[in-house]
Amino acid sequence: SAVISQKPSRDICQRGTSLTIQCQVDSQVTMMFWYRQQPGQSLTLIATANQGSEATYESGFVIDKFPISRPNLTFSTLTVSNLSPEDSSIYLCSLKGLHTDTQYFGPGTRLTVL
Amino acid sequence: KNEVEQSPQNLTAQEGEFITINCSYSVGISALHWLQQHPGGGIVSLFMLSSGKKKHGRLIATINIQEKHSSLHITASHPRDSAVYICAVRSPQGGSEKLVFGKGTKLTVNP
Repeated sequence: SAVISQKPSRDICQRGTSLTIQCQVDSQVTMMFWYRQQPGQSLTLIATANQGSEATYESGFVIDKFPISRPNLTFSTLTVSNLSPEDSSIYLCSLKGLHTDTQYFGPGTRLTVL
Repeated sequence: KNEVEQSPQNLTAQEGEFITINCSYSVGISALHWLQQHPGGGIVSLFMLSSGKKKHGRLIATINIQEKHSSLHITASHPRDSAVYICAVRSPQGGSEKLVFGKGTKLTVNP
């Protein structure tokens, strides 16, 4: 199994600012995923964070709004830029098990934008 | 129409009741996951299924590939089972496999 930690667990931010979320994994993984869960909605994949290359973004998500870093195999950050109230969501870091299809999730970061 | 549909959206039960949550999907899948999300937002993987049935403690998950349907059962429910239960399917899309999520079923178990 994998243990994933995220920081911060929650934050309240002002419109127009940015928030950077950190994800730390206790083992080396090739692909890490960032999801967004808007209130009352299902999880939506933002991007796949690849070590050593640019992240792969899903339709509707762009690098300027959601820049991602992946400096090594155990760490990634997601920044949500130029915040608006519509960005209020839970953001989750996730990975797939190395030798299984089990999906592991971090504890989530609950963002509220005022 | 969503690719993954769950029912019911909300479910309230009394402690000790047998609970069933349903998941239907419309895409081809390689695996189906049942996840549990607690009020703080963190998600725990309960089961991963590609066929048949799995049991873990008081939880049972079944899948019928032909009917594109899965159920999650909780026997002898307890207030600590209160959470949102999410069905997700791993579906090949555009050369890679992605997880597609249902909206979740909010379960409240009253003492």
